[in-house]
Amino acid sequence: NFMLTQPHSVSESPGKTVTISCTRSSGSIASNYVQWYQQRPGSSPTTMIYEDDQRPSGVPDRFSGSIDRSSNSASLTISGLKTEDEADYYCQSYDSSSWVFGGGTKLTVL
Amino acid sequence: QLQLQESGPGLVKPSETLSLTCSVSGGSFSSNRAYWGWIRQPPGKGLQWIGSIFYGGSTYYNPSLKSRVTISVDTSKNQFSLKLSSVTSADTSVYYCAMSISGRIDFWGQGTLVTVSS
Repeated sequence: NFMLTQPHSVSESPGKTVTISCTRSSGSIASNYVQWYQQRPGSSPTTMIYEDDQRPSGVPDRFSGSIDRSSNSASLTISGLKTEDEADYYCQSYDSSSWVFGGGTKLTVL
Repeated sequence: QLQLQESGPGLVKPSETLSLTCSVSGGSFSSNRAYWGWIRQPPGKGLQWIGSIFYGGSTYYNPSLKSRVTISVDTSKNQFSLKLSSVTSADTSVYYCAMSISGRIDFWGQGTLVTVSS
């Protein structure tokens, strides 16, 4: 199986744009869709992006996802940062019926 | 809207078996495309997939836990279960049950904290 590697933490100011990366260790990032989940303290994760770049209804269009085959990574970009975006973010993919999670990135909006 | 709810003891002694049940309501438990799984999160740490069971009964486990994990399903009760044997303090976590159809986690339970301590 492969691993997904995320930065441990990122920080940015309100109104700015931040990008969180998720690098796949082996196999192509394009082989299986990548999802992004937001988790606030004490709550279950919620889906922000699915199938690489799709936004569920109700998720602001400030959130966008993409994949980059050259770096074998996926990215979550949040524009127009708000203090309410401060949370942990996890990327997730799958392989042979296994669910694989990245280690999570703590986003601080300061 | 599908709802998942974990239940089980919040405290388990070291070396014993952790047992949790996930009750599913509000939708079809018998979808022939659904994977029902367990995910855990140690305090202050990230998410770890434990294992999943497919509608047809096939099971898939995290290799790091495979020797200690059993996941089963009871379709008559709309439930699936997790058993994790020989627990240690390292198994103290919030345990989530979840459902996936196409590789993404479509629905999550609210999570239940299980502490391993004597």
